[in-house]
Amino acid sequence: EVQLVQSGAEVRKPGTTVKISCKVSGHTFSDRYIHWVQQAPGEGLQWMGRVDPKTGETMYAEKFQGRLNITADGSTETTYMELSSLGPQDTAVYFCGRGHNNWFAPWGQGTQVTVSS
Amino acid sequence: DIQMTQSPTSLSASVGDSVTIICRASQDIRSFLAWYQQKPGKAPESLIYAASLLQTGVPSRFSGGGSGTDFTLTISSLQPEDFATYFCQQYHSFPLTFGGGTTVEI
Repeated sequence: EVQLVQSGAEVRKPGTTVKISCKVSGHTFSDRYIHWVQQAPGEGLQWMGRVDPKTGETMYAEKFQGRLNITADGSTETTYMELSSLGPQDTAVYFCGRGHNNWFAPWGQGTQVTVSS
Repeated sequence: DIQMTQSPTSLSASVGDSVTIICRASQDIRSFLAWYQQKPGKAPESLIYAASLLQTGVPSRFSGGGSGTDFTLTISSLQPEDFATYFCQQYHSFPLTFGGGTTVEI
């Protein structure tokens, strides 16, 4: 069974950086893109970007360009989502998802990030 | 960006009812559409991809239809575990975008 397990909740001050992990098990890590999606209160779901675990190639949504970095570590079969210059608008739950032609299944359980001074 | 508009935003129904949720794309996305179910505090789960193909393990009371710009998700004979929020997502082009969600409540 394919599983994506994310790291725990984080609290950060404005202007700082958060890095969340997503460990993949149950399938060949390099076979599928891993995507990241933001769910802010009252904002619905927003696609952030994806990484190709085989090559490390990334693609980001314009909204997050310049402060988002998604990486993949094949030795630990883990992907990371790093978001910098945090503001209150980044308070959200962040999900990783295994890509199938750019739809997602399964998803990680989600990681709550709270940005507060 | 392709905008995805869902309607209604919420609906009330009873166990055994049949409900239909509509998802409209701002441009032609052919059949590059997925549907997800999300329960409070949980991650979304895949229901349907390619507009009408059921994800493995999803009950047959869920069905999807449409192509181009207009799509539907129908749940026939609602079960207690179906009360949740449903999202559509287009994967025709980047950035990938989601509908705003439809909450099915009692």
